Amino acid sequence: GIQVEQSPPDLILQEGANSTLRCNFSDSVNNLQWFHQNPWGQLINLFYIPSGTKQNGRLSATTVATERYSLLYISSSQTTDSGVYFCAVFPKTSYDKVIFGPGTSLSVIP
Amino acid sequence: SAVISQKPSRDICQRGTSLTIQCQVDSQVTMMFWYRQQPGQSLTLIATANQGSEATYESGFVIDKFPISRPNLTFSTLTVSNMSPEDSSIYLCSVEVYQNYEQYFGPGTRLTVT
Repeated sequence: GIQVEQSPPDLILQEGANSTLRCNFSDSVNNLQWFHQNPWGQLINLFYIPSGTKQNGRLSATTVATERYSLLYISSSQTTDSGVYFCAVFPKTSYDKVIFGPGTSLSVIP
Repeated sequence: SAVISQKPSRDICQRGTSLTIQCQVDSQVTMMFWYRQQPGQSLTLIATANQGSEATYESGFVIDKFPISRPNLTFSTLTVSNMSPEDSSIYLCSVEVYQNYEQYFGPGTRLTVT
């Protein structure tokens, strides 16, 4: 089946710094989403981005489907950005089987 | 988007008992999903629940352990049966709203089994 990798696994940032999180996937996908899981466990939709680039405030994402990767950019990080960032994919070969990556754990310190 | 609620938000249960988790959506959806997130881990799909048909379980999950009901297009339940400490996890339901593979998640149920 499809493999989803995320890097880095852990990241510590000083408040105000920028960062790039990466998601690699091994096969074609119908959809790719980025989620932020806050410290209380809530999964928050960040981007629905099967291809192209989107921006939402300090966050932006780019998916290059032909090269099977997606990037999440966080600029001017804040302590509220702390948590775990997951990418999740819907493989083209398996409609009902959403596959989550292992996540990137981000800590933003004041 | 969709507003999804789950009950209970958390529970502490005794070994050998069962817990039923409810998931309510504010709009009619075809596809509902149940996930498990063990401590420090990513999310794993338990099953897909479509209204009017039996749930489809992923490898490693069986109906006797995780029975699912889907009585209508806005509601589903997941039961965790004969619990053991290994069942301690966050259980999340999700829905696909726009039939474009985009998923939205409920707030989760944090289960601790002692």
